[in-house]
Amino acid sequence: DAGVIQSPRHEVTEMGQEVTLRCKPISGHDYLFWYRQTMMRGLELLIYFNNNVPIDDSGMPEDRFSAKMPNASFSTLKIQPSEPRDSAVYFCASSPRLAGSSYNEQFFGPGTRLTVL
Amino acid sequence: AQKITQTQPGMFVQEKEAVTLDCTYDTSDPSYGLFWYKQPSSGEMIFLIYQGSYDQQNATEGRYSLNFQKARKSANLVISASQLGDSAMYFCAMREGWGTGTASKLTFGTGTRLQVTL
Repeated sequence: DAGVIQSPRHEVTEMGQEVTLRCKPISGHDYLFWYRQTMMRGLELLIYFNNNVPIDDSGMPEDRFSAKMPNASFSTLKIQPSEPRDSAVYFCASSPRLAGSSYNEQFFGPGTRLTVL
Repeated sequence: AQKITQTQPGMFVQEKEAVTLDCTYDTSDPSYGLFWYKQPSSGEMIFLIYQGSYDQQNATEGRYSLNFQKARKSANLVISASQLGDSAMYFCAMREGWGTGTASKLTFGTGTRLQVTL
């Protein structure tokens, strides 16, 4: 299995531009998570999906952020317009369906390092 | 209140020595799971070990073991025989509850940076 795939790995853009981050979860996994990691705030959960349906988006910082999961093998995180404070590493993770257990290993992608100038 | 607390921002350990990374957690749910992840300088997040709240024995995985003290709500990671490749950030995380819904998400601590020296 190829693992969780994210693209691009690095993105440099200018303030005000639209940024789209992409994620392909591990095949068969029912859950998909988007995280943001910064030095100041650590690892924050932005949103997660179960069977392509958004379950909890309370971590999405503001309306400039949106996430979609049109099918089981693809998700996007969009920032429009981008701002310098959005500079961070964005991780996508996926996990399989649970079966009456708290065990829920999340498999992380390599991350996208976003720099907004 | 913080759900996961890692009080050691940085730790040093000599090669071949053992090291303990602290993690305390806060939950009122009797069913929960605790996870440790490693993040080397290359940036990826690597799952290390898991402990369920009902597990009778401490989890072990190779050189990693989890010192689970339920009454104290602590889940410290012990790395034995440290190697230079163990130098990384280490994150403790918790999942509360079983089943689906909001119980599916992990809450992460702020991490501990471990440096292994010669």
